[in-house]
Amino acid sequence: GESVGLHLPTLSVQEGDNSIINCAYSNSASDYFIWYKQESGKGPQFIIDIRSNMDKRQGQRVTVLLNKTVKHLSLQIAATQPGDSAVYFCAETDNYGQNFVFGPGTRLSVLP
Amino acid sequence: DSGVTQTPKHLITATGQRVTLRCSPRSGDLSVYWYQQSLDQGLQFLIQYYNGEERAKGNILERFSAQQFPDLHSELNLSSLELGDSALYFCASSEPGRGYTFGSGTRLTVV
Repeated sequence: GESVGLHLPTLSVQEGDNSIINCAYSNSASDYFIWYKQESGKGPQFIIDIRSNMDKRQGQRVTVLLNKTVKHLSLQIAATQPGDSAVYFCAETDNYGQNFVFGPGTRLSVLP
Repeated sequence: DSGVTQTPKHLITATGQRVTLRCSPRSGDLSVYWYQQSLDQGLQFLIQYYNGEERAKGNILERFSAQQFPDLHSELNLSSLELGDSALYFCASSEPGRGYTFGSGTRLTVV
């Protein structure tokens, strides 16, 4: 798996608003997609995943949407809270866990 | 606790030195991945091992090397350290069809 190191784009939202973080993936053969949350000084943590046979999957306050036509993935966080402030990475892989690729990450900043 | 254990958590060393970072994967996972993350950067893939054998190589410097032992733990060796090697080093493990599980990382500071 590879990723490209870039200065992170930042999304600022008001506490209580909904957040939408977007990710464009590269490999049309990717079958499995994951969103990770990374808080400062910690390792990335699994949030939610989705397989390519689905368009939408919901978790607790989070929803992942997959648009295979345009190779786009999004993470929606409902009623954003201060504890949601972190860097969010999308990742794609094939069904065998090969070719695991991370997106560049988006920093979510929750404003009081 | 993710199940992936990395030691040490923090490491401070001088330029030119050599260090070894250690990772124990989640129980049952055969693949181990090493990533480097510099300040405010994304995750740079370094190298992957599967069941003791090197499986894939990323942007890993020649000064860096890794191995995976029969008990599946892995070590990342960083030598001739430079200031720019200061970063968080993450280990992750996985099994096919499952996502990565990351350790909490080793913060390396080269002074």
